[in-house]
Amino acid sequence: AQRVTQPEKLLSVFKGAPVELKCNYSYSGSPELFWYVQYSRQRLQLLLRHISRESIKGFTADLNKGETSFHLKKPFAQEEDSAMYYCALTGSGGSNYKLTFGKGTLLTVNP
Amino acid sequence: KAGVTQTPRYLIKTRGQQVTLSCSPISGHRSVSWYQQTPGQGLQFLFEYFSETQRNKGNFPGRFSGRQFSNSRSEMNVSTLELGDSALYLCASSPSGALYEQYFGPGTRLTVT
Repeated sequence: AQRVTQPEKLLSVFKGAPVELKCNYSYSGSPELFWYVQYSRQRLQLLLRHISRESIKGFTADLNKGETSFHLKKPFAQEEDSAMYYCALTGSGGSNYKLTFGKGTLLTVNP
Repeated sequence: KAGVTQTPRYLIKTRGQQVTLSCSPISGHRSVSWYQQTPGQGLQFLFEYFSETQRNKGNFPGRFSGRQFSNSRSEMNVSTLELGDSALYLCASSPSGALYEQYFGPGTRLTVT
């Protein structure tokens, strides 16, 4: 079974502070991990995926298979980062190729 | 290019009724996926259609069904509505079904009374 856990429903930081949104997963095979973001009144959109190993809007996420984690990090938070963040995973191929989402973390960056 | 559109945006139905929601994908996209979003369960995958065929499905009862037309537009139907079906229903389209290429629609807010 695929499972994604985001332990924090709410996270509040000040502008310029580092931010880390936690994500832990459970999957018996080799998953592909994603972070999605939904800004206020906007559509859900892909932020980054672990395969690409990119930094998007200053955010990075490293897949730690030993700890089964995929935490999202940014060294200096900006007010425009305030949004709902969802971690998601998929297995590979066939019926396993579908997104399983965490419940999400609402990030608020205070001025 | 135009994004994914969903109609209607809001809907109120009564228990026991059925409902049909529509999703128009981005032009050229052949895959359409549907998701249910509720406060309790979060975002859950319903099913995916590609070239008019259901390729994958989530763990929902048979009351939830869908279809895709030759122009890639998709509909989902929920029969015998229950209060617990109240949710935001999102669809997402992608050119080939690759999850990282999905673009999401604004959603249809269904309220069952």
